[in-house]
Amino acid sequence: AQKVTQAQTEISVVEKEDVTLDCVYETRDTTYYLFWYKQPPSGELVFLIRRNSFDEQNEISGRYSWNFQKSTSSFNFTITASQVVDSAVYFCVLYTGTASKLTFGTGTRLQVML
Amino acid sequence: SQTIHQWPATLVQPVGSPLSLECTVEGTSNPNLYWYRQAAGRGLQLLFYSVGIGQISSEVPQNLSASRPQDRQFILSSKKLLLSDSGFYLCAWSGDGGYNEQFFGPGTRLTVL
Repeated sequence: AQKVTQAQTEISVVEKEDVTLDCVYETRDTTYYLFWYKQPPSGELVFLIRRNSFDEQNEISGRYSWNFQKSTSSFNFTITASQVVDSAVYFCVLYTGTASKLTFGTGTRLQVML
Repeated sequence: SQTIHQWPATLVQPVGSPLSLECTVEGTSNPNLYWYRQAAGRGLQLLFYSVGIGQISSEVPQNLSASRPQDRQFILSSKKLLLSDSGFYLCAWSGDGGYNEQFFGPGTRLTVL
């Protein structure tokens, strides 16, 4: 079965702090895809990144970075120098051929305070 | 560029009334289309997906149905709403292949009273 665990339900940080959102996934498929989405208070989900299971290179995009480690089945997301606009719910998502659909984690609510 | 529209943005309906939510995509052809529901404080649940006109796959048996009358139009319907149908409904599109990233619309917040 496919499963995504985001153990952190809610995180609060002060602006300019770094924050890491954890994601652990489970699958027996050897080929799979991982995603992160951001859901701001407006509700619309915003696509952030997609990774396939054969590409373990870490990725950096501005203040965002992602650490993919197959050995621990984790795909963690770090925001550097957080800003108030980063306040949102963040979802880690898994796609496998077996499930043939996206499996969402329960999300982590990030609050960045002044 | 591609855009996805949903309407209405919010809806309050009595129990037992019908429902019709519409989703349209611009700027792409033959998209895969999806309907999701998000209950308060929870993740997303896939309801329906479509890989082409008239082709609908249902993920969860319930009193909702979906139709795709045109390539870039996806409609979610119900003949009689239940209280449990309340939630945030999101439409999404992707390129061919479920492994592609999905792009979501602004959503419809439905309250059934």
